[in-house]
Amino acid sequence: TQLLEQSPQFLSIQEGENLTVYCNSSSVFSSLQWYRQEPGEGPVLLVTVVTGGEVKKLKRLTFQFGDARKDSSLHITAAQPGDTGLYLCAGDSGTYKYIFGTGTRLKVLA
Amino acid sequence: GAVVSQHPSRVICKSGTSVKIECRSLDFQATTMFWYRQFPKKSLMLMATSNEGSKATYEQGVEKDKFLINHASLTLSTLTVTSAHPEDSSFYICSASLPVAKNIQYFGAGTRLSVL
Repeated sequence: TQLLEQSPQFLSIQEGENLTVYCNSSSVFSSLQWYRQEPGEGPVLLVTVVTGGEVKKLKRLTFQFGDARKDSSLHITAAQPGDTGLYLCAGDSGTYKYIFGTGTRLKVLA
Repeated sequence: GAVVSQHPSRVICKSGTSVKIECRSLDFQATTMFWYRQFPKKSLMLMATSNEGSKATYEQGVEKDKFLINHASLTLSTLTVTSAHPEDSSFYICSASLPVAKNIQYFGAGTRLSVL
């Protein structure tokens, strides 16, 4: 069974701080996605990474896919209260069926 | 971007009744849709893959007779929770992917089911 472990599970930080969320697995994924979910809503796709070692930036968010395509990280610079939410990574083993990570709940305090 | 509509957004039912949840792709045709279940403060758990015109593929541990999936058209998949019990209470979310971009899923807003 493929598992995606995210760390930390919970994170509460002050506005302006930086943070990194990790997504780790022992399995190789052909692609990996990051989502943010607000309470009572469906997840919203932030990014898809495909190539090992790939780095993508989305404003203050930087995503990296591990060289071996088993892990990924999400770094947020100068966090804002609007970044609060549940961050989920999801891996595709090649069948377009995504397995979701355990989730990281972020709270940014003003 | 593509829009997926899920209905109802919230449903409360009595134990023993059946509940149907609809997932529609509004501006594209989806040959494949996915159904997830999410427990409070937890991640999404894939329940089944819904394939248009054929039987759904269920994940290990998911009862296919309990969670009936029908994908009768290219824009509609339904999940019916049969003989619902309190332990079926959960947040159910569907997603659909574009045939030309299968690696991109568009999620519905979810349905919160509460079984009394």
